[in-house]
Amino acid sequence: SQTIHQWPATLVQPVGSPLSLECTVEGTSNPNLYWYRQAAGRGLQLLFYSVGIGQISSEVPQNLSASRPQDRQFILSSKKLLLSDSGFYLCAWDLGVYNEQFFGPGTRLTVL
Amino acid sequence: DQQVKQNSPSLSVQEGRISILNCDYTNSMFDYFLWYKKYPAEGPTFLISISSIKDKNEDGRFTVFLNKSAKHLSLHIVPSQPGDSAVYFCAASASGGTSYGKLTFGQGTILTVHP
Repeated sequence: SQTIHQWPATLVQPVGSPLSLECTVEGTSNPNLYWYRQAAGRGLQLLFYSVGIGQISSEVPQNLSASRPQDRQFILSSKKLLLSDSGFYLCAWDLGVYNEQFFGPGTRLTVL
Repeated sequence: DQQVKQNSPSLSVQEGRISILNCDYTNSMFDYFLWYKKYPAEGPTFLISISSIKDKNEDGRFTVFLNKSAKHLSLHIVPSQPGDSAVYFCAASASGGTSYGKLTFGQGTILTVHP
């Protein structure tokens, strides 16, 4: 069966520090991968998606970047965190359109 | 521009009764709709989906109805159980000939089922 992992589960970082969140998927090949953010009291906002290794599309202009160095690995990064980057970050995968997306457990990021 | 809207922030229901969660959308290109359930500090869990070629899909206690002319979908939970208490998100995607499903989410509705 397929599983999706995210780490760390929680993270507290000072403003201006770098960020690296990792997501890996097991039990499937060539998944589409997604990064979402849920700000406090808000819905989920799509940040990045990837349909293959090295292929990254950004949905909103922001302080973050994403990379996909391997088929089942998706990384969310920042060189310098802002206060507004605080939120709950979720990684998800699917096998194409008309397929449900499966979400990881999420990372709670607090920028102080 | 909120393309997917859940206008009820919260819903309170008695155990055993029906819960009806509503969702409206504005983008006529959306052709696949999903409902997710989410507990605090966890990732959303997929519940049920429906494609635009159908108007109803049922899975156990969960039924999703789609009214394309009204751009409206609803999730019915019958009978409601205390364990159903969570935040429910509706989501939509537009295939547009692509191979990936970018989801647009509503703001969520907090469902509380009282024993």
